[in-house]
Amino acid sequence: EVQLVQSGAEVKKPGESLKISCKGSGYSFTSYWIGWVRQMPGKGLEWMGIIYPGDSDTRYSPSFQGQVTISADKSISTAYLQWSSLKASDTAMYYCGSGSFPYFDYWGQGTLVTVSS
Amino acid sequence: EIVLTQSPGTLSLSPGERATLSCRASQSVSSSYLAWYQQKPGQAPRLLIYGASSRATGIPDRFSGSGSGTDFTLTISRLEPEDFAVYYCQQYGSSPQTFGGGTKVEIK
Repeated sequence: EVQLVQSGAEVKKPGESLKISCKGSGYSFTSYWIGWVRQMPGKGLEWMGIIYPGDSDTRYSPSFQGQVTISADKSISTAYLQWSSLKASDTAMYYCGSGSFPYFDYWGQGTLVTVSS
Repeated sequence: EIVLTQSPGTLSLSPGERATLSCRASQSVSSSYLAWYQQKPGQAPRLLIYGASSRATGIPDRFSGSGSGTDFTLTISRLEPEDFAVYYCQQYGSSPQTFGGGTKVEIK
């Protein structure tokens, strides 16, 4: 059974750094795209970027390029989304998704990130 | 970047009725690389349709997708109580991938 398990909710202050994770199991981690989607409170889905762990090919939405970093560690089948300096506007639910094609057959449960002073 | 516009924003229907949701792209979506997702409150999205018209594993046949180029449609032939949710289209034919703004299907 394919599963994506995300790290737990985070509460951070503006300016702090953060790295959240998404661990895949039940499939060949290096053969599936894995990406990140933001959902701000009460709003729609926003595609942030995607990585192919097999060769580390990474693509970002222009809206998020330079604001976040997407990475993956093949040895532990885990993808990451990180910020170097959080803003209040980063408060959102973040989902990881995965699939053999770059749409998302499978989804994590979501990680709620709250940024508040 | 391809902008996807979904309409209507909200669809008020009764169980048993037919739902027709539209997704229009600002430019042609290559190879009909368009997907549809369903999201219920407090849950992650669920893939319904990929390749514009192929149902994902386990999706009931009352869900169907059609279209090509810039105009795509998701049809729910007879609404079941569990179908009331928000639906999103996504194009994955060109980078960056993008989602539409969503259509909420609510009980009338």
